[in-house]
Amino acid sequence: GNSVTQMEGPVTLSEEAFLTINCTYTATGYPSLFWYVQYPGEGLQLLLKATKADDKGSNKGFEATYRKETTSFHLEKGSVQVSDSAVYFCALSSSSGSRLTFGEGTQLTVNP
Amino acid sequence: GAGVSQSPRYKVAKRGQDVALRCDPISGHVSLFWYQQALGQGPEFLTYFQNEAQLDKSGLPSDRFFAERPEGSVSTLKIQRTQQEDSAVYLCASSTRQGPGTIYFGEGSWLTVV
Repeated sequence: GNSVTQMEGPVTLSEEAFLTINCTYTATGYPSLFWYVQYPGEGLQLLLKATKADDKGSNKGFEATYRKETTSFHLEKGSVQVSDSAVYFCALSSSSGSRLTFGEGTQLTVNP
Repeated sequence: GAGVSQSPRYKVAKRGQDVALRCDPISGHVSLFWYQQALGQGPEFLTYFQNEAQLDKSGLPSDRFFAERPEGSVSTLKIQRTQQEDSAVYLCASSTRQGPGTIYFGEGSWLTVV
């Protein structure tokens, strides 16, 4: 079946540091890949997505590239801010798109 | 409303009680999903509706869990004879269509079974 593995957290960085959160997946067919973010006290929000191999999703300075050869979708940001502190979830959708499979989430804390 | 609305936001139930959690999706959204998120874990799929049809309920953990969407809009997730392991956040999500489109999540219903 489908599965998503995220790097273990939590991750603590200083403001303006470079961020990488690793995500690898196992899936049949051609899944779409997503990063969701959950800010404290709020619901899950879509951060970015990529629907086919070599696509790059980007939003709010975050980027992730769909790498089929390494089955990865690592999240990166060049300079994090305190306001980026949240839990980040990598996810994939089945080819039919009827369900999302999530990773366990990575807690990011950015200190001033 | 503008987003997916869930109620109650917080529910404490005694073991053995029945609970009902309500989801009001974004107006016009065809697809509706329920997920269960245990503390410190990622959400796990429970069930999926397209309009009023429940197309996938393979994620429901036991026959104590039941979901419905009788008119293709509001949905209710019912848990009978709650047990401590049912304690979790129950997330509802909706999207405009089937397929890898954007799925919008509600803030969740936090259930604690004591």
